[in-house]
Order: sequence, then structure tokens, then C-alpha cells
Amino acid sequence: QVLLVQSGAEVKKPGASVKVSCKASGYTFTTYAIHWVRQAPGQRLEWMGWISVGNGDTKYSQKFQGRVTITTDTSASTAYMELSSLRSEDTAVYYCARDFGSGSLHYWGQGTLVTVSS
Amino acid sequence: DIVMTQSPDSLAVSLGERATINCQSSQSVFYRSNKKNYLAWYQQKPGQPPKLLIYWASTRESGVPDRFSGSGSGTDFTLTISSLQAEDVAVYYCQQYYDTPRTFGQGTKVEIK
Repeated sequence: QVLLVQSGAEVKKPGASVKVSCKASGYTFTTYAIHWVRQAPGQRLEWMGWISVGNGDTKYSQKFQGRVTITTDTSASTAYMELSSLRSEDTAVYYCARDFGSGSLHYWGQGTLVTVSS
Repeated sequence: DIVMTQSPDSLAVSLGERATINCQSSQSVFYRSNKKNYLAWYQQKPGQPPKLLIYWASTRESGVPDRFSGSGSGTDFTLTISSLQAEDVAVYYCQQYYDTPRTFGQGTKVEIK
């Protein structure tokens, strides 16, 4: 079955960067895009960007442009999301999710809590 | 950006009764070339990731009980739970995938009356 397993919780200081991993299994990794979505406490889900794993193309939300980088290591079937210049408002649970070729998110990782605090 | 607005923000329904959640997009998410609405519904329980229920506005994801149904087109959509069960207590989100950035509604919390 399709599984997305994310790295563990992180605590970072303001101004630092965080890199969250998402290891995929149960399907051919290069076939589908991986998206990153975050959820701040009590807030709605917020899409950050996606990567077309097959060709490496990326698309980011303007809100995060310049601060977020999504990459993959196809040999390890793993996607990464790096967010830089962290501020307290970036405290959230970060999810990776896989689409089915169109954009609806059919499989989700378990989430990674990133806490930004001085 | 396409703004997604859900109503109500919360609702309480008796077990076995119908629950209806509405979602409106600020512009149409209907793609004429393939006649599809790029709209999905998700269920999220506390401490869990979202779970896809419906995509293409009305296609039920595999394994989702048939008491969940989606309808609508263009800018107005509805998620219906025909007979609410205790395990359906959750927050429900709509999402458009017509354009980037993908955007979600603010969520509707469903509780038991």
C-alpha cells in the first residue's frame, strides 16, 4: 500500500531553516507529484508547493516564494521541503501528500510538527 | 488566488440525520475541455492528517462509505453525509485544484447533537 512517512518533530529558532523529509513506498516514486501543505494551530490547511517527481519541476505558492525549496532524491524515494528564515508564524504541522495526476491529494504523510521559538 | 468559503463553520447533527456542508469558490473551478470540476473534499480528525473523501466534486475515493456524497458545479458545491455516524465527527475541508496556489476552505466542524 502507498505510505508516506515523514521525519520527526523539530524545534528551531527564529531565522533558522528546517528541512522535513517524506519517504514514499508502495508505488513508483517518479510517477506522481508530491505536494507540501501546512496547518498552523487552529488554522485552515495551506498549500505550499509541489514537485513533479518525474522531471523535477516545482511550483510554489507566492506566499512562500524565496523561502521554500522542494526537492527529491529519487534513489531514496524521498521528498524534502526546506523552509528558511523561520519566524514564529511558521509554527505548524507540515504534511507531504501525493496526488493522482490531477491535484487532489490522495495520500498523506503523518505530519511533522515544526515549532519556531526563541 | 481562488478563495474557498465554507458554510456553516460548525454544525451539530443527531445520529442518523443528514449533514450538509457548502463550499463556494471565488471563481469557477469547472474546466470546459474535460467537463470536470477541480474540487475535492477532505475529512480531518484530531491529531490526524486529512483524508480524501471526494474528488472531481462528486467521485468518491475508494473505501469511503457511500453515505458521503458530493455535488455541485462551477462555484457552488455541497458535501452531504446522508446518515451521520459517530465516527464522522471531524472537520471537513473543501479544496480547489483548478489553479495554483491550491486553496482550501476554512473548514466545517461536524459534531453530534
